[in-house]
Amino acid sequence: EAGVAQSPRYKIIEKRQSVAFWCNPISGHATLYWYQQILGQGPKLLIQFQNNGVVDDSQLPKDRFSAERLKGVDSTLKIQPAKLEDSAVYLCASSLVRSSGGWETQYFGPGTRLLVL
Amino acid sequence: AQSVTQPDIHITVSEGASLELRCNYSYGATPYLFWYVQSPGQGLQLLLKYFSGDTLVQGIKGFEAEFKRSQSSFNLRKPSVHWSDAAEYFCAVGAYTGNQFYFGTGTSLTVIP
Repeated sequence: EAGVAQSPRYKIIEKRQSVAFWCNPISGHATLYWYQQILGQGPKLLIQFQNNGVVDDSQLPKDRFSAERLKGVDSTLKIQPAKLEDSAVYLCASSLVRSSGGWETQYFGPGTRLLVL
Repeated sequence: AQSVTQPDIHITVSEGASLELRCNYSYGATPYLFWYVQSPGQGLQLLLKYFSGDTLVQGIKGFEAEFKRSQSSFNLRKPSVHWSDAAEYFCAVGAYTGNQFYFGTGTSLTVIP
């Protein structure tokens, strides 16, 4: 079974530029998550999708970050414009559908390492 | 507010020694509890999880964790550590109701021969 795929693996941009990350979840996984992991910290959940709808985006800095999951499969996370403090690893995870508020096992991709200069 | 605390930033153990990594959470109701491991260059991998039932949970790679409600803790243990266990370990908490999911700051494990 193929895992969660992410691209690119690395990205270097200058501040105020825009950047986009792509995620392809495990086939059949209805729930998709984007995390930001700053060096030396644990991952921080930014947004959750269930199929193509947003479940929660309370931690997403909406003035510069946006995410979409068209057709309920692949997802993209965009930053525009980027700031120095956005340097981090961006992780995508997927899980089976969350039912009755429970938490299924999340399967993580390798992440995209972003450096903003 | 919900929170997860991993008091130990870094732990060093000898190969073959026992291991215990601490995790404390702050939440009104018993949340969903997880331990993940992150090895260099690899993604996060689930070791084990707990929601209800037996408070001693067995996971992969010989790890186990014990939920103690009175102490709001979910400590990870392994009786005999192998050099391949060197990695970053994260405790995570999912809200019983709602959509909050939090990771701790992680504990880095070094294994010396």
